[in-house]
Amino acid sequence: AQSVAQPEDQVNVAEGNPLTVKCTYSVSGNPYLFWYVQYPNRGLQFLLKYITGDNLVKGSYGFEAEFNKSQTSFHLKKPSALVSDSALYFCAVRDMGGGFKTIFGAGTRLFVKA
Amino acid sequence: KAGVTQTPRYLIKTRGQQVTLSCSPISGHRSVSWYQQTPGQGLQFLFEYFSETQRNKGNFPGRFSGRQFSNSRSEMNVSTLELGDSALYLCASSDGTSGLTGELFFGEGSRLTVL
Repeated sequence: AQSVAQPEDQVNVAEGNPLTVKCTYSVSGNPYLFWYVQYPNRGLQFLLKYITGDNLVKGSYGFEAEFNKSQTSFHLKKPSALVSDSALYFCAVRDMGGGFKTIFGAGTRLFVKA
Repeated sequence: KAGVTQTPRYLIKTRGQQVTLSCSPISGHRSVSWYQQTPGQGLQFLFEYFSETQRNKGNFPGRFSGRQFSNSRSEMNVSTLELGDSALYLCASSDGTSGLTGELFFGEGSRLTVL
């Protein structure tokens, strides 16, 4: 079965510093990986996805993610964090076996301090 | 293009009652998925519909049901509410034809409180 793990419940970073939110995956076959962000009392917003091709994927709001097949990781990164990046971030994978559902990690809360 | 619209945004029910939540997907999107979000369990998949057919279902009891109409709008129903059903219910749409590669577009959710 497909799954993703986000090992950190919370990440704290100072504004202007680079940030990384970690995600590891377990899939059979080719992984289709996604990152979403959720602001308070809102639904999730799509940030970026990896389907195939370049291991470095660029997305919205200056975020990017690096796909590493050997480490089965898909970490979300940003070179310079903003206070407004503070939110809940979810890594997700499409369930190949189950067809048309997306499985989400537990989420990582990012706090960016001014 | 209008986003995914969920109604109502907030509702309070008592145990034993039933509730119906509505979701209007982005125009042209034929796939609608429902998720339950709670602090303890995270995002749990409920079901997914495409062109009025349920294509996949999560591990929830039969009290949770859904349907999709010919205009792609979807409803989910929870009967005999329990305290543990208190959650944010999220609807997401996608065009459904991108197979496994399409991203989801979420509504802002319906927050259900069961007293």
